[in-house]
Formats: sequence, C-alpha cells, structure tokens
Amino acid sequence: AQSVTQLGSHVSVSEGALVLLRCNYSSSVPPYLFWYVQYPNQGLQLLLKYTTGATLVKGINGFEAEFKKSETSFHLTKPSAHMSDAAEYFCAVSERGYNKLIFGAGTRLAVHP
Amino acid sequence: NAGVTQTPKFRVLKTGQSMTLLCAQDMNHEYMYWYRQDPGMGLRLIHYSVGEGTTAKGEVPDGYNVSRLKKQNFLLGLESAAPSQTSVYFCASSWNLRSKGGDKYNEQFFGPGTRLTVL
Repeated sequence: AQSVTQLGSHVSVSEGALVLLRCNYSSSVPPYLFWYVQYPNQGLQLLLKYTTGATLVKGINGFEAEFKKSETSFHLTKPSAHMSDAAEYFCAVSERGYNKLIFGAGTRLAVHP
Repeated sequence: NAGVTQTPKFRVLKTGQSMTLLCAQDMNHEYMYWYRQDPGMGLRLIHYSVGEGTTAKGEVPDGYNVSRLKKQNFLLGLESAAPSQTSVYFCASSWNLRSKGGDKYNEQFFGPGTRLTVL
C-alpha cells in the first residue's frame, strides 16, 4: 500500500528565508504527487502537482517542488518565505489514473519576522 | 460558482445522537469524497462516490454512512455519534479522469470543512 511521510510536523523560518518542506512516498511505480495548503479554518487548496513531464513543478505563490524518482521524494520549496505563507501543508499521492489520494500527516509552517 | 460547500460549519453532539452532513458541488464532478482530519494524521478517506447512486468505503468507514442520490450532493451520516468521531470533516469533488482525459484534470476540490464535537 502507498504511504506518504512528511518529515517534521512543525517547521519555523524567518521571513525571507528559504522554505523546505520534505515529502517521501513509498510506491513501486511513480505515482501522481500533490502539495496542498490549508490556511487557518479553511479547506485545502492545490499548490502544485506532478503527473508527467518536467520533474520540477512550479505552483502558486512562488512554490515549487521537484520529483526525484531515485529518492522517492517530492520536496516543496520557496526561495523567500512571506508571513502569508504560514499554514499547514500536505503532501499527497495517488496511483496513476486513479483519483483517490493518500495524504501525509502534514507540516505546519510558521513564519516569524 | 460556489465550488464545494458544506453545511453545517460547526456542530456539537452528545454521544448517541445522529446527524447528517451535507456536501454540494456545482462543478458537475462525477467523483465526491468525505475525509476526516485529525491532528498529526492528515486527511483520511471515509467514503467516496464515483457517480450518482454509487458509494464505496474508504480507509476509515466504520460508524459512518453515505448517500449520493443526486450528482451534486453527497451526504455523510452518523447514526450514533461517539467521542472518537470528534474531528473536522472535509468534502471534496473531482472529475473522473478516465472520462475527462488528461492529467491536467487530476485535482480534488475541497469544501471549507465542518467541525464536529461529540461530547
């Protein structure tokens, strides 16, 4: 069965610093990969996704993620954190051609001045 | 378009009471899902539906029932609420990839959530 591991339930960065949120998956076949963001008291919003093609994927709000098959990873990065990036971030996977998502436990990002 | 909406937004129940959560979507999506979100566990799939009149069990279906009588609505029922069902419940919807075609349609759209407390 597929699983998703997000390293670090809480990450804290300074405004302007690099954001790195880690995600590893377990699957014998490269799955579809997603990052969702949840702002306080809101639903989840898609940040970016990898399905096929270029392994470096750009999303909204300046975020990007790189699919590395050899490392079974899909880490999320942003060069310069903004206060508005404070939220919970979820990595998710699905089998190719299927809609069902398996979520990681989430990483709460705090951005301090 | 309203997207995915959920009612109610908050609810407090006593153990043993029943309730129904309503999810509605106006994007003509075939697939709909119910998740629960608990601290440190991410989102877990309770039940899902691939079309009107069809439902299927997800990862944590026990204690819940669902119905999809209309394409745009997906109901989640708790027949006899338990404190372990205290959680935030999210509904989502998506296209059927196999009929829509193209990975660009591979996305689930989420509602704002329902916070349920069972005392």
